Amino acid sequence: DTEVTQTPKHLVMGMTNKKSLKCEQHMGHRAMYWYKQKAKKPPELMFVYSYEKLSINESVPSRFSPECPNSSLLNLHLHALQPEDSALYLCASSPLETGELFFGEGSRLTVL
Amino acid sequence: GDSVTQMEGPVTLSEEAFLTINCTYTATGYPSLFWYVQYPGEGLQLLLKATKADDKGSNKGFEATYRKETTSFHLEKGSVQVSDSAVYFCAPHYGGSQGNLIFGKGTKLSVKP
Repeated sequence: DTEVTQTPKHLVMGMTNKKSLKCEQHMGHRAMYWYKQKAKKPPELMFVYSYEKLSINESVPSRFSPECPNSSLLNLHLHALQPEDSALYLCASSPLETGELFFGEGSRLTVL
Repeated sequence: GDSVTQMEGPVTLSEEAFLTINCTYTATGYPSLFWYVQYPGEGLQLLLKATKADDKGSNKGFEATYRKETTSFHLEKGSVQVSDSAVYFCAPHYGGSQGNLIFGKGTKLSVKP
């Protein structure tokens, strides 16, 4: 099983809503990531978890709140987002200390 | 800081044409080098990689060679297909922190029948 599964694939939310993005992998990878990708741009790193502990937070606003309940799951909780937060949110996993990332297909978020 | 420079797109080719997408990286340390591909409406996939000088990564007819002397990792394919239409990202990984994977700006390839 070499898949990273993300749900939902599409999400539309208002600025006052609370929603969550979910990610799951069963490859035994101990590093998991959230990236944000705007149209025609490369992915931008948001958060990294290593061994279920947050190891990197790239100065992301607090309206994005990551959570790693166990080694297979990664969530991104969303609250009070802005329209400029509309983007494709990509989850990835990797063995530790490599650049070989396995990406999910992404959750396309629209904030109205 | 560490950086990567990738050929600007878009690139439009006819089927069976030869493809080169240029990529150069900063020579800090000794990075591993990756090419990722993103097909329309999908996430990124690892296309190929090379971890040391003179290594050649290859997959699906694509190749790239780790050139330490020119700090380059150019992507090539001898005969492109319509199904190769995608965005290609060069990405050096400078080791250590998981955040040290640097994506290039991406090159959009369109292949016409």
